[in-house]
Amino acid sequence: DVKVTQSSRYLVKRTGEKVFLECVQDMDHENMFWYRQDPGLGLRLIYFSYDVKMKEKGDIPEGYSVSREKKERFSLILESASTNQTSMYLCASEGEGSYEQYFGPGTRLTVT
Amino acid sequence: LAKTTQPISMDSYEGQEVNITCSHNNIATNDYITWYQQFPSQGPRFIIQGYKTKVTNEVASLFIPADRKSSTLSLPRVSLSDTAVYYCLVAYSGTYKYIFGTGTRLKVLA
Repeated sequence: DVKVTQSSRYLVKRTGEKVFLECVQDMDHENMFWYRQDPGLGLRLIYFSYDVKMKEKGDIPEGYSVSREKKERFSLILESASTNQTSMYLCASEGEGSYEQYFGPGTRLTVT
Repeated sequence: LAKTTQPISMDSYEGQEVNITCSHNNIATNDYITWYQQFPSQGPRFIIQGYKTKVTNEVASLFIPADRKSSTLSLPRVSLSDTAVYYCLVAYSGTYKYIFGTGTRLKVLA
């Protein structure tokens, strides 16, 4: 079974802190994604990576950056966390050309 | 700006067939449509995908009409455990654009 793991299920950070969310997949998938999910807004793509060191902005990249130094790992970075970044963050991976995404369990981030 | 909409909620009874529609514009012939199921406190789980006409697997069917302005997820004979939120996802082929639908909360009643 494909497994996508995220470093934390729950995280509480203070405004202005730098936050790292880690995601690891074990299926050698080329594509990896970071989404945020908010009530009433559904899932929105923050960043997408199609290869090591390659990234593309999604719909809402402002305030976020990403890093993909190894194929299995995709990190989401909040350079200076703000309260409007309080959300559920979901990571996913996808084999090249498959269009079938496998999601992690999510990280519920609260910024106070 | 691409937009993908779904009904907010639906109720059904056990054993019935449920059809959930996703409306999308500007879909090219090679753009893929995928459906996901999400339970509370879990990540979405893949159900089915396709890019034209009809696709069927062991749990669902996906219908895409010729005009490609919508797609329909069909769940045959739902059970209580199918109560969840269902999302469509449009993957715009050749781009890096992925747009989720607004989600449909399905409640299956006994």
